[in-house]
Amino acid sequence: DVKVTQSSRYLVKRTGEKVFLECVQDMDHENMFWYRQDPGLGLRLIYFSYDVKMKEKGDIPEGYSVSREKKERFSLILESASTNQTSMYLCASSSLGTGGVDTQYFGPGTRLTVL
Amino acid sequence: GESVGLHLPTLSVQEGDNSIINCAYSNSASDYFIWYKQESGKGPQFIIDIRSNMDKRQGQRVTVLLNKTVKHLSLQIAATQPGDSAVYFCAEITRLAFGKGNQVVVIP
Repeated sequence: DVKVTQSSRYLVKRTGEKVFLECVQDMDHENMFWYRQDPGLGLRLIYFSYDVKMKEKGDIPEGYSVSREKKERFSLILESASTNQTSMYLCASSSLGTGGVDTQYFGPGTRLTVL
Repeated sequence: GESVGLHLPTLSVQEGDNSIINCAYSNSASDYFIWYKQESGKGPQFIIDIRSNMDKRQGQRVTVLLNKTVKHLSLQIAATQPGDSAVYFCAEITRLAFGKGNQVVVIP
């Protein structure tokens, strides 16, 4: 079974702090993704990566950056956390599959609260 | 904590009945669809997928139907159980497009 783990289930930070969210997958997947999920809005893509050291902006990259130094690990960084970044953050991974994409498998999520 | 099910359309279904959840998409070139189940406080869980060269796919107690003519996707859950209570959302993976979801509440 695919396993995607996230470093924290719950996190509380203060405005202005630098925040690191870590994601690790154990299936040698090429693709990794970071989403945020807010009530009634569905999943919104922040950043994704198709390979080590490669990153692409998603729909809402402002205020975030990412790092992929190793294939299995994809980190999301909030350079200076703000209250509007309070959300559930979900990491996902997938293999290349047909046409470059395949089923995405999600981690358990990190609920971040910025005070 | 907050629930991802807030403000979502809700389907209340009696235990043992069948559930049908619908999803519409806009891009006729959409190719690969997935249905996910998300229980409160957990990450989305893959249920079933279907590619555009198929009209129907069946799993254990679940069936996905794809109507490309009207750009409509549905998930049918047979003999709904209390453990089926969750938010269900569709995804078009080649375009990384996700539906907002439907809350299913199973009444014992």
